Amino acid sequence: EPEVTQTPSHQVTQMGQEVILRCVPISNHLYFYWYRQILGQKVEFLVSFYNNEISEKSEIFDDQFSVERPDGSNFTLKIRSTKLEDSAMYFCASSGAGSLLYNEQFFGPGTRLTVL
Amino acid sequence: DAKTTQPPSMDCAEGRAANLPCNHSTISGNEYVYWYRQIHSQGPQYIIHGLKNNETNEMASLIITEDRKSSTLILPHATLRDTAVYYCIVRGDFGNEKLTFGTGTRLTIIP
Repeated sequence: EPEVTQTPSHQVTQMGQEVILRCVPISNHLYFYWYRQILGQKVEFLVSFYNNEISEKSEIFDDQFSVERPDGSNFTLKIRSTKLEDSAMYFCASSGAGSLLYNEQFFGPGTRLTVL
Repeated sequence: DAKTTQPPSMDCAEGRAANLPCNHSTISGNEYVYWYRQIHSQGPQYIIHGLKNNETNEMASLIITEDRKSSTLILPHATLRDTAVYYCIVRGDFGNEKLTFGTGTRLTIIP
């Protein structure tokens, strides 16, 4: 069964450093997402991406965040200058086209980001 | 997105049916009810979704009331692997809409 993969599984960084979280969505999917979950809290939407541009972003997704699909397979989330409060599990998800058959979002296993 | 209300926690004996309720009294006509679950700290996993008819797949059944103001997710024969947080989410049916997660129901399957 196809799946979303994410690397690394755990990233430790110093405050102020840049990090790039990587995701490989399911190959024929068109919509891509990043969510995050701070320990013990809800899963929160960050951004959605379609046709090489951002479709929607939340208030969390400020100028420190950016997303990119640098090639046909990877989808990345960059945090330019990490803060302590960016420590969280980051989930990538993808879904297919807009028909009823493809509304399921498939989530990756997550990257645990720890900012020291 | 319409707001959903779920009990914070439930227990169910292994092998029995687990019935997880969800209230979504402000749901609008074109919004679907989705259920996802999250096992420990893994990525959320899709379970099922429906509009107004009852739905069944290999994982679960979804019963939606006639007025669509509430629904119940049924896991017919719960196993220990079904211990997870279950999220009821109301969302429009357009492929790229975000999912808005609440706090969900923490279901514990008791051996």
